[in-house]
Amino acid sequence: SQQGEEDPQALSIQEGENATMNCSYKTSINNLQWYRQNSGRGLVHLILIRSNEREKHSGRLRVTLDTSKKSSSLLITASRAADTASYFCATDSGTSYGKLTFGQGTILTVHP
Amino acid sequence: DTAVSQTPKYLVTQMGNDKSIKCEQNLGHDTMYWYKQDSKKFLKIMFSYNNKELIINETVPNRFSPKSPDKAHLNLHINSLELGDSAVYFCASSRPGTGFEQFFGPGTRLTVL
Repeated sequence: SQQGEEDPQALSIQEGENATMNCSYKTSINNLQWYRQNSGRGLVHLILIRSNEREKHSGRLRVTLDTSKKSSSLLITASRAADTASYFCATDSGTSYGKLTFGQGTILTVHP
Repeated sequence: DTAVSQTPKYLVTQMGNDKSIKCEQNLGHDTMYWYKQDSKKFLKIMFSYNNKELIINETVPNRFSPKSPDKAHLNLHINSLELGDSAVYFCASSRPGTGFEQFFGPGTRLTVL
């Protein structure tokens, strides 16, 4: 069964605005990862947050993790047209050799 | 330098045919994966190999058979193709164990007519 549920399914914003995507999951995790997929391309890893971490930053990305609520959020600040892509969260339960369970993804469109 | 490569990029074939997709990584990783992404963009793991040994085998029809000739290559052979096999198939690799990012190939779009 699908582990992650992402919200919203689609998000449309203007350049310069912030974009927030949320991910909820059902079982306990070892870590949670966010990936980006540009149209017609493979997934690219953005950031990994471990279960004992609450917040992590990488450039314009900020990820939070709330294990009590089984949820994570990805914030992209000062968005650019080039950020237009699908964003997926993926959970790693730590019990099965690197197996990632992906959410449905959020389609982000940033208008110039 | 391409880290994870797949061939072919597009594959169009008739129902009932047998086809293969090849994957190679030059990252020196021990672990490789096959994922299937359906038309709704839902991505699901199919198989994983660590150093040529099968370690993850999800509920996949036995028409799908992965083969790892060495730890840099993981191929996917599909027998008796069905319409429902149409999807994008992604290969990925990572360091072994949990807690490592995965590097994805560009995908192979399989269309079964």
